Amino acid sequence: NAGVTQTPKFRVLKTGQSMTLLCAQDMNHEYMYWYRQDPGMGLRLIHYSVGEGTTAKGEVPDGYNVSRLKKQNFLLGLESAAPSQTSVYFCASSATSGRPAYNEQFFGPGTRLTVL
Amino acid sequence: GESVGLHLPTLSVQEGDNSIINCAYSNSASDYFIWYKQESGKGPQFIIDIRSNMDKRQGQRVTVLLNKTVKHLSLQIAATQPGDSAVYFCAEKEASGTYKYIFGTGTRLKVLA
Repeated sequence: NAGVTQTPKFRVLKTGQSMTLLCAQDMNHEYMYWYRQDPGMGLRLIHYSVGEGTTAKGEVPDGYNVSRLKKQNFLLGLESAAPSQTSVYFCASSATSGRPAYNEQFFGPGTRLTVL
Repeated sequence: GESVGLHLPTLSVQEGDNSIINCAYSNSASDYFIWYKQESGKGPQFIIDIRSNMDKRQGQRVTVLLNKTVKHLSLQIAATQPGDSAVYFCAEKEASGTYKYIFGTGTRLKVLA
């Protein structure tokens, strides 16, 4: 049981380049999330999904797109990277109810992205 | 190295002492709260949670206290160990029916040997 995995772990892009971050979970969770974490700020929600084939905007969605074609995968895309998107990106997933915890979110190890 | 947390408040505690980390949350309608631990270069890790119908919950060496009157959450770590050194932050879940969380900025805990 790997939990939540993210690829790649590190990436450097030039302004205007595109890339896709992959998140995978093997816990059969319905909900998946993409966050960014910047110095001095709490995690901010970019997009989330409440089930296969569904996505919704979070707090800071501009410049990002997502897709949830399979329940276990949640992809985050940057079509035209900007220096303001330099950040650490975390994916998380959660069940809809019940234990191990009441809607606890399980996080991946993160992807450090630098846009030059 | 890890750049997240450069501007965080820091709590320095002697090994073996108890630690208390505080968090003020924003939404009086929030019904569920989590404390996370984040070590350098890693993703947040669940420590303990509490629902809004409780005011205290204990785990192994950790206790969370919830004061809804003043919208305050605290994490107490007993007999702090070097492995407890990390950034700790709280998260609140918006009212029932949603699965969105609001995360605090965190406190860095340094354990002094």
